[in-house]
This record gives sequence, C-alpha cells and structure tokens, in this order.
Amino acid sequence: GAGVSQSPRYKVAKRGQDVALRCDPISGHVSLFWYQQALGQGPEFLTYFQNEAQLDKSGLPSDRFFAERPEGSVSTLKIQRTQQEDSAVYLCASSPPTSGMAFFGQGTRLTVV
Amino acid sequence: DQQVKQNSPSLSVQEGRISILNCDYTNSMFDYFLWYKKYPAEGPTFLISISSIKDKNEDGRFTVFLNKSAKHLSLHIVPSQPGDSAVYFCAADTGTASKLTFGTGTRLQVTL
Repeated sequence: GAGVSQSPRYKVAKRGQDVALRCDPISGHVSLFWYQQALGQGPEFLTYFQNEAQLDKSGLPSDRFFAERPEGSVSTLKIQRTQQEDSAVYLCASSPPTSGMAFFGQGTRLTVV
Repeated sequence: DQQVKQNSPSLSVQEGRISILNCDYTNSMFDYFLWYKKYPAEGPTFLISISSIKDKNEDGRFTVFLNKSAKHLSLHIVPSQPGDSAVYFCAADTGTASKLTFGTGTRLQVTL
C-alpha cells in the first residue's frame, strides 16, 4: 500500500500479557517513529529510528517497552507485562530523509483489561 | 511540561465562515511547525506546515500564521466546510526531523 500500515488495528490484552504491535512504513522512508496517544491527549513521542538504528528512545515510559527495526523497514513495538495504564492508541509514522513531515498510520488501539 | 499548548479544546463555526485555531509554544528551539487533522479511528493526516523563517504559509483554504516573538501560531480555514469537522493538532519540531511535540488538539465542528 501507499501509506503507513499498522497491525493489528485493535488489541485487547489481559494485564500481565505481552503484546507486539507492527508497523510497515512508506517504502523508502528512512525515519520511523512511534507515538502513544492517550484518550483526549495529543500523540506523545516514544522512539525514533533512522534506518535500523534507534537514535532516540527517550519517550519510552519504562523498560517494559521495547522497539526494533532490524532491517530498516518494518518495525515492532513490544510491551511486556502490560498494565492498565498502557491502554492507548499507538501510532507509527514515517518520513523521508531530512523531512520533519511525518506520515501516520491508522494506529493500534490497545486496551489492557 | 506542556511545550505546545492548544488552549481551546473545541470550536464551533458555521459553514462558510472562517475557523481560527490557535497554538502556543514555549520552546524557543522549535523552528518547524505543522498542523495535523484527525478523524475518529484514523491516524493524524498532515495538513500544512511552516518554517520559522516565514510568517505565513497558504495552501488553498488553509493558511498558517507564525508569530515567533509571541511564540504563537494559528491555522485559518476559510471558508469552513462540514468536512473540516475533525480534531486539529498543532505540532512542533526543533529542526532535527527526529520527533514532533504535539498539542492536545482542538475539536472543530462546522455546522450547517
């Protein structure tokens, strides 16, 4: 597809379960970002990749959150031992080199019960 | 510490009139600003941007104004259309293209 693709669209996890969220960026986009959007808030930065290198992970809220992009294309955000406060929409975005304009996917809505 | 603020959570405007959405920022290192539009159950969609070397950028019905001294920007939509009803997010970047800082959004409703 032409846009950023995220899967699954919706995920319900029991507290303590591990989850993995996938992002397929736009082809050729070097930069990839993960954001977390809580209800009624704006997206908040989690982490940033340039190709396969994770250059900034300052927004990851705890060591239960882990992101990877091993081949510089598809990325996975993994959350271990999910907690209720992890419930949010997780947005992935990609952008061309040196551009600040990010293109977002539709997001994955995670609900931890 | 909210570095990008959208103080109006909602705005209602009549079709055909002008919509003005406001955004304030505190970080003087921000030098690139963007507006995103978001419909329910969709990701944010890029609308328009402005670099700090400009004070105005126009694209069709959408114009963004930047007042660096006041650390304020605004998005003008004229004429407003019912399809413009959405949540609008202001975002800022320090020019490193490495992350965006978003405001909390303004929900615009354009009424008939």
